[in-house]
Amino acid sequence: AQSVSQHNHHVILSEAASLELGCNYSYGGTVNLFWYVQYPGQHLQLLLKYFSGDPLVKGIKGFEAEFIKSKFSFNLRKPSVQWSDTAEYFCAVMGGATNKLIFGTGTLLAVQP
Amino acid sequence: DTGVSQDPRHKITKRGQNVTFRCDPISEHNRLYWYRQTLGQGPEFLTYFQNEAQLEKSRLLSDRFSAERPKGSFSTLEIQRTEQGDSAMYLCASSFGLAGPLGEQFFGPGTRLTVL
Repeated sequence: AQSVSQHNHHVILSEAASLELGCNYSYGGTVNLFWYVQYPGQHLQLLLKYFSGDPLVKGIKGFEAEFIKSKFSFNLRKPSVQWSDTAEYFCAVMGGATNKLIFGTGTLLAVQP
Repeated sequence: DTGVSQDPRHKITKRGQNVTFRCDPISEHNRLYWYRQTLGQGPEFLTYFQNEAQLEKSRLLSDRFSAERPKGSFSTLEIQRTEQGDSAMYLCASSFGLAGPLGEQFFGPGTRLTVL
């Protein structure tokens, strides 16, 4: 069965600090990987996705993630966070022929000005 | 607003009552998904439609839950004989795809259900 593990449940950073949120998945076959973000009071929206090709993918608002197949990981990074990045971040996997997203439990990021 | 819409946004009901939620996907999207999210958890998949056909259902979707998408456009999710454990945010998402899993899923604002 597919599963996603997010190691950090709550992260507090100061503005301009670097961010890395961990995501590991469990699935033996071909996977599609996603990071979704939910800003306070807003819908879930896609931050970035990996389907194939270059394992380093860039998303909106300066975010990037690296797919490391050997580690079953898809960590999210941003070199310098802003107060407006305060949100909840969800890693998700879609494996094989299925169309369903399997989400992690989310990481709540609070950026202090 | 041309995004995914859900109605109602909030629903409070008493245990044992039936409730129905509606989702209107983005107009050109042929795929529609229902997820459920409880506090402190990520969204959990419930079911998925391609056009009017319900192609996958989670084991989370007990006999009390039923979803329809009669004309391949909007969808309804009904919960019969609600229980307190059904309290959650019910999310709808839509995407466009002809074959295979590709296609970004766009999420709606959700319907928050509270069962007293």
